[in-house]
Amino acid sequence: LAKTTQPISMDSYEGQEVNITCSHNNIATNDYITWYQQFPSQGPRFIIQGYKTKVTNEVASLFIPADRKSSTLSLPRVSLSDTAVYYCLVGLSFSGSARQLTFGSGTQLTVLP
Amino acid sequence: GAGVSQSPSNKVTEKGKDVELRCDPISGHTALYWYRQSLGQGLEFLIYFQGNSAPDKSGLPSDRFSAERTGGSVSTLTIQRTQQEDSAVYLCASSPSSRPSGNTIYFGEGSWLTVV
Repeated sequence: LAKTTQPISMDSYEGQEVNITCSHNNIATNDYITWYQQFPSQGPRFIIQGYKTKVTNEVASLFIPADRKSSTLSLPRVSLSDTAVYYCLVGLSFSGSARQLTFGSGTQLTVLP
Repeated sequence: GAGVSQSPSNKVTEKGKDVELRCDPISGHTALYWYRQSLGQGLEFLIYFQGNSAPDKSGLPSDRFSAERTGGSVSTLTIQRTQQEDSAVYLCASSPSSRPSGNTIYFGEGSWLTVV
């Protein structure tokens, strides 16, 4: 199982760019890297997913180096509403076959005014 | 349905009682996952299903916990003789069988269980 390691918490100010890095040294060849956002009292919500290099969507970018042993979620110009826990997940694969998917401890991002 | 649906959304039960939590995945999703999240904690993997089969039950905390899935759709998580430490949010997620570019799991809003 791919184990992930993230910082426990981060603080930022409104309007800043926030980068959260996740380490996953034993990522498997077929594994994708997926990031989720979770607000209190809600289920996790998909943010972005990638396999290598860079992926960008309307809310975030994901940077993955060539060795794929880490990934960085980048949130541009955060606002107070981005305060949440962010989870990195490794293990969703091409085939889609179910398997045990273990989340890391997550990073509590607090955006300050 | 449009998303993963879980019921009940909230359940308060007395210690020692049995509870059943239901998950209705997104239509057509063959993979289904159960997680538990205690207050202020991360996501604890419990069990997953591929179709109706659960290849790995090692995440279930004890033999008081069981889960089944029928018809490749609805799943039920049962907790027997509930204990106070079972109090948590139980989250269900589902994902489609295969996609050309990776896969994504979609979570429900959870069932909040309080054992008193």
